[in-house]
Amino acid sequence: GAVVSQHPSWVICKSGTSVKIECRSLDFQATTMFWYRQFPKQSLMLMATSNEGSKATYEQGVEKDKFLINHASLTLSTLTVTSAHPEDSSFYICSAREAASGAFQETQYFGPGTRLLVL
Amino acid sequence: AQTVTQSQPEMSVQEAETVTLSCTYDTSESNYYLFWYKQPPSRQMILVIRQEAYKQQNATENRFSVNFQKAAKSFSLKISDSQLGDTAMYFCAFMTSGETSGSRLTFGEGTQLTVNP
Repeated sequence: GAVVSQHPSWVICKSGTSVKIECRSLDFQATTMFWYRQFPKQSLMLMATSNEGSKATYEQGVEKDKFLINHASLTLSTLTVTSAHPEDSSFYICSAREAASGAFQETQYFGPGTRLLVL
Repeated sequence: AQTVTQSQPEMSVQEAETVTLSCTYDTSESNYYLFWYKQPPSRQMILVIRQEAYKQQNATENRFSVNFQKAAKSFSLKISDSQLGDTAMYFCAFMTSGETSGSRLTFGEGTQLTVNP
């Protein structure tokens, strides 16, 4: 149980184009999803927190107009990198927190990540 | 603000031996959760073990166990009978349980563990 998928697993795009990354909780409902960015050999950096049906909360320094997040349902959140530039190249990871109450409701489950390369 | 510190950027251990990864954190909260995640070369984040701060008993999951010292704000991970598949980056993470701060994970810098045959 508690599987989170991401699509695509990797993407190469030209500078100036937009890229959408999907994050799905496959066997549970997620009221909250998180988007992280990770550079090589570094820790995860939280970009934003999204709650189903409401606007995402962005971390300081993260451009909300550049990184559009939509959490349209309890199983799907999307991150769109708009007008991508080479400096946006990174590894993007989503995670989801289960909606159900219980002893492990605080645990986040992570997707496999998406490698983005902007040329 | 909460901080998590992992003071060992890299560690290595021989297969079948035991290794301990250290983690300290700083918080003024009394209720919180602590986690260890591993990230193998595939980069998939995998939950290793979880500890609730209100529980005095240390969490254990098969070969993985923690030494949780709340007063010292220390949360180390012990891996027994190390296996080659344990080679990964290990992240210690902290999460408050209060409503006002949400359920954000604060990660440490990570410890790269290599298990040698």
